[in-house]
Amino acid sequence: RKEVEQDPGPFNVPEGATVAFNCTYSNSASQSFFWYRQDCRKEPKLLMSVYSSGNEDGRFTAQLNRASQYISLLIRDSKLSDSATYLCVVKRGNQFYFGTGTSLTVIP
Amino acid sequence: NAGVMQNPRHLVRRRGQEARLRCSPMKGHSHVYWYRQLPEEGLKFMVYLQKENIIDESGMPKERFSAEFPKEGPSILRIQQVVRGDSAAYFCASSPRAGGPEAFFGQGTRLTVV
Repeated sequence: RKEVEQDPGPFNVPEGATVAFNCTYSNSASQSFFWYRQDCRKEPKLLMSVYSSGNEDGRFTAQLNRASQYISLLIRDSKLSDSATYLCVVKRGNQFYFGTGTSLTVIP
Repeated sequence: NAGVMQNPRHLVRRRGQEARLRCSPMKGHSHVYWYRQLPEEGLKFMVYLQKENIIDESGMPKERFSAEFPKEGPSILRIQQVVRGDSAAYFCASSPRAGGPEAFFGQGTRLTVV
């Protein structure tokens, strides 16, 4: 079973829409959780860390459910510039495990 | 504080040649990770190193690939006798010794084997 599983999409949404991405991880000993964003042919960049209490950064809200081993990312009021691949990442010890990414295209 | 620096950004090699990819981690970071990304695919872990030590190389092919992170200088990913299937983007990430558990990525080296 993969360490991190994501729906690959693609998600095609109109500007202004709300979109949610989900991710599950297989190892309950995982300690830290992140969402990264990767633009086409660029390096992944940290979007936000994810905490059990849930956290928000502007239009982005991340949630973690340790009992279900489930992570989510909600994007409100989608912008054209949000078009990218969103990577779910978990850390256990000093090792990072990446999902294959969910592709988002925001359409004018 | 400069970010993670990788060079070269683009590398073209003929089949059978050697490719050497370099990664200088962020200042103060002593953990280095190498990942490979094939077109239209996700990041695949290759190797995790700390200074002078390979901690986890479970993602590295057994033959032709090697990595090092010497006491001085950048981390090097070396691919001997490259084949067409080695064509990919190779990303390096670094993480600090303590605090801030996230990893920061370099811009990658795009290797093309012709």
